[in-house]
Amino acid sequence: AQSVTQPDIHITVSEGASLELRCNYSYGATPYLFWYVQSPGQGLQLLLKYFSGDTLVQGIKGFEAEFKRSQSSFNLRKPSVHWSDAAEYFCAVARPSGTYKYIFGTGTRLKVLA
Amino acid sequence: DSGVTQTPKHLITATGQRVTLRCSPRSGDLSVYWYQQSLDQGLQFLIQYYNGEERAKGNILERFSAQQFPDLHSELNLSSLELGDSALYFCASSGDAREQFFGPGTRLTVL
Repeated sequence: AQSVTQPDIHITVSEGASLELRCNYSYGATPYLFWYVQSPGQGLQLLLKYFSGDTLVQGIKGFEAEFKRSQSSFNLRKPSVHWSDAAEYFCAVARPSGTYKYIFGTGTRLKVLA
Repeated sequence: DSGVTQTPKHLITATGQRVTLRCSPRSGDLSVYWYQQSLDQGLQFLIQYYNGEERAKGNILERFSAQQFPDLHSELNLSSLELGDSALYFCASSGDAREQFFGPGTRLTVL
């Protein structure tokens, strides 16, 4: 069965520090890959997406992610975190055919220390 | 703003009741997806409609049903509500099937 794992439930970083959020997936083929951010009580905002091609993807708010086929990973990175980045981050995958329904990871809650 | 609208924004009701959540997709999008976000289950896919027809089902309870109308808006009906149905319900729409655009969600509280 397809699954998405975000191994870190909580991460705390200092403002200005670098950030990496991990995402691993289990899928039969290379899926479509997404990262979303959710602030408390808010909806889901798309940070970036990967369909094919260049494995380093640039997104909004200074985020980037790298697709590594050999590791079945799609980790999210930011070189310098801002206090406003505190939120919950979700990795999602979708089968590249058929229904395209999303399977979400359990999320990583990011806390930023001033 | 994704272009997907959901109403109501908040809904408070009692156990055993029935509610209807409404979703209007982006203009021209034929696919509508429903997701539930709860504390214990996380974000999970419920059901998908494409141009009025059910396309896929996920972990949707039998007490829940959905439909998509000719104008492409969709409704999610939740009946015999239980405390555990309290959650944030998202609707998403898609045009080219690769990317889904999420609405702001409806927060359901069952007392």
